[in-house]
Amino acid sequence: KQEVTQIPAALSVPEGENLVLNCSFTDSAIYNLQWFRQDPGKGLTSLLLIQSSQREQTSGRLNASLDKSSGRSTLYIAASQPGDSATYLCAVAPRGGGADGLTFGKGTHLIIQP
Amino acid sequence: EAQVTQNPRYLITVTGKKLTVTCSQNMNHEYMSWYRQDPGLGLRQIYYSMNVEVTDKGDVPEGYKVSRKEKRNFPLILESPSPNQTSLYFCASSLDLRQTGQYFGPGTRLTVT
Repeated sequence: KQEVTQIPAALSVPEGENLVLNCSFTDSAIYNLQWFRQDPGKGLTSLLLIQSSQREQTSGRLNASLDKSSGRSTLYIAASQPGDSATYLCAVAPRGGGADGLTFGKGTHLIIQP
Repeated sequence: EAQVTQNPRYLITVTGKKLTVTCSQNMNHEYMSWYRQDPGLGLRQIYYSMNVEVTDKGDVPEGYKVSRKEKRNFPLILESPSPNQTSLYFCASSLDLRQTGQYFGPGTRLTVT
């Protein structure tokens, strides 16, 4: 059964720093990997989607990479801002026999200090 | 605006009183699903539906029912809620889970006393 792990569980950095969030998954048979942002008490906002055949995706200050063979993905945030404070979730769509849903990591709680 | 909507957003109820959480999407998506989110456990899938009249169990289906009579709606039914179903619930939809990402609703915070 697919398992997704995110490290670190929590991170606090001063504004302006570049930072990397890590995600690992146990089964490389996936269709895609998705990074989400969740603000307290709110829903999930999709940030980036990487197909299994892709190596990376970029959106503004965010860059996500995927190394399917090693079961790893990173989310790089450049020039962090206090508004980036949130929980970041990584999820994979497993390539199973049925239409299995996403398997989520438990998230990285990020605080950007002004 | 493309979106997934859920109602109600907040609900406090008592053990055993049947309730329904509605979910609707306006993107003509075929795939819809329900998740629950609990501290320390993360998000777990309850049920999913690949299309109208096609539903299947996810990882934690016990105590829940769903139906998919129309493409846009996917209600979650708790026939006899119990306190261990106190959670934050999310509905999600996708055009094609394999090719496109999932869109999530705003969440429904349910408390069962």
